[in-house]
Amino acid sequence: DAKTTQPTSMDCAEGRAANLPCNHSTISGNEYVYWYRQIHSQGPQYIIHGLKNNETNEMASLIITEDRKSSTLILPHATLRDTAVYYCIGRNRDDKIIFGKGTRLHILP
Amino acid sequence: NAGVTQTPKFQVLKTGQSMTLQCAQDMNHEYMSWYRQDPGMGLRLIHYSVGAGITDQGEVPNGYNVSRSTTEDFPLRLLSAAPSQTSVYFCASSYSRLAGTPINEQFFGPGTRLTVL
Repeated sequence: DAKTTQPTSMDCAEGRAANLPCNHSTISGNEYVYWYRQIHSQGPQYIIHGLKNNETNEMASLIITEDRKSSTLILPHATLRDTAVYYCIGRNRDDKIIFGKGTRLHILP
Repeated sequence: NAGVTQTPKFQVLKTGQSMTLQCAQDMNHEYMSWYRQDPGMGLRLIHYSVGAGITDQGEVPNGYNVSRSTTEDFPLRLLSAAPSQTSVYFCASSYSRLAGTPINEQFFGPGTRLTVL
């Protein structure tokens, strides 16, 4: 399984960039890294995914280290609405998609 | 598209009762899955399916049954509810690796909040 490790919680000031790290040292070469977030008690929402190269979309940027053992999700200008639990996950060969406990991100006004 | 729909939104059961949580998607996704989320915890995978007629166990399958007779529907059955099954249940769907689509984000339903007394 592509197990991931994330900090339990993080704080970020509103308007600053939020950088959320994830360790996925057991990920295999062809497995993508996905990021989701869960706001309050809603269903998780997809943010971004990547394999080797850095990725950017309208929500966030994803920086993956060259050895693929870790990645960082960047929210460039955090707002209060970005307060959520952020999950970093890998998709295994057998399609078993395992979520960890995620990082609880607090955006401070 | 309605996306992923789940019914009911809320349910209260007594210990020993049975019920089925419904999940449906209209995106022609091959992959569907069920997760449970306990207070303050992350999501734990219960069962998943990579296509009609194919199901497999996740992290916490005990006490739950699933079947996948159609692409659209993936019901989750509790045969004899226990208080330990009090949780929020999320259904999700995506394209499947078997379909040759390597990029596949999961779409989640709004959840079913189940209380077992």
